[in-house]
Amino acid sequence: AQSVTQLGSHVSVSEGALVLLRCNYSSSVPPYLFWYVQYPNQGLQLLLKYTTGATLVKGINGFEAEFKKSETSFHLTKPSAHMSDAAEYFCAVSDQDSNYQLIWGAGTKLIIKP
Amino acid sequence: EAGVVQSPRYKIIEKKQPVAFWCNPISGHNTLYWYLQNLGQGPELLIRYENEEAVDDSQLPKDRFSAERLKGVDSTLKIQPAELGDSAVYLCASSFRQGKTDEQFFGPGTRLTVL
Repeated sequence: AQSVTQLGSHVSVSEGALVLLRCNYSSSVPPYLFWYVQYPNQGLQLLLKYTTGATLVKGINGFEAEFKKSETSFHLTKPSAHMSDAAEYFCAVSDQDSNYQLIWGAGTKLIIKP
Repeated sequence: EAGVVQSPRYKIIEKKQPVAFWCNPISGHNTLYWYLQNLGQGPELLIRYENEEAVDDSQLPKDRFSAERLKGVDSTLKIQPAELGDSAVYLCASSFRQGKTDEQFFGPGTRLTVL
């Protein structure tokens, strides 16, 4: 069965520092991979997705993620954190075995220190 | 363009009472999802509609949960009777699904507390 593991329920970085949120997945077939962001009291919003093609995917707000098949990973990065990046981030995977239903990680809360 | 609208935003009820949640998707979106999200966890799919047809309801606890999407637009999710363990955030999402995957747009959710 597919699963998504997000390492660290909370990640704290200083403003201006590199943001790295980790996501590993299990899938026996080619996956589609997603990162969503959830700001307080708001709905989930798509940051970026990987379907096919280039493995480095750029999203909104300066975020990007790289699909590494050999590591079954899809880590999210941003070179310089901003206070407005404080939110909860969810990684999700879908594939043929899940009938392309999204399987979600537990989320990582990003805390930005001034 | 308006996003996905959900109401109410918050609901507190006593156990064994019924409760209903309403969702208005983005205009033109053919697919509608209901998810359940517990604290500290990702969303879990309850039911997916393609237009007015429920195409994936395998994870909906049908003994107490029901849903409908009349005319393929608005949707209602009902719980009767509610149990303490139903306390969670109920999310509605919509998309225009043409192929294998889609971009889902989420509403703000309804936070249910069962006392």
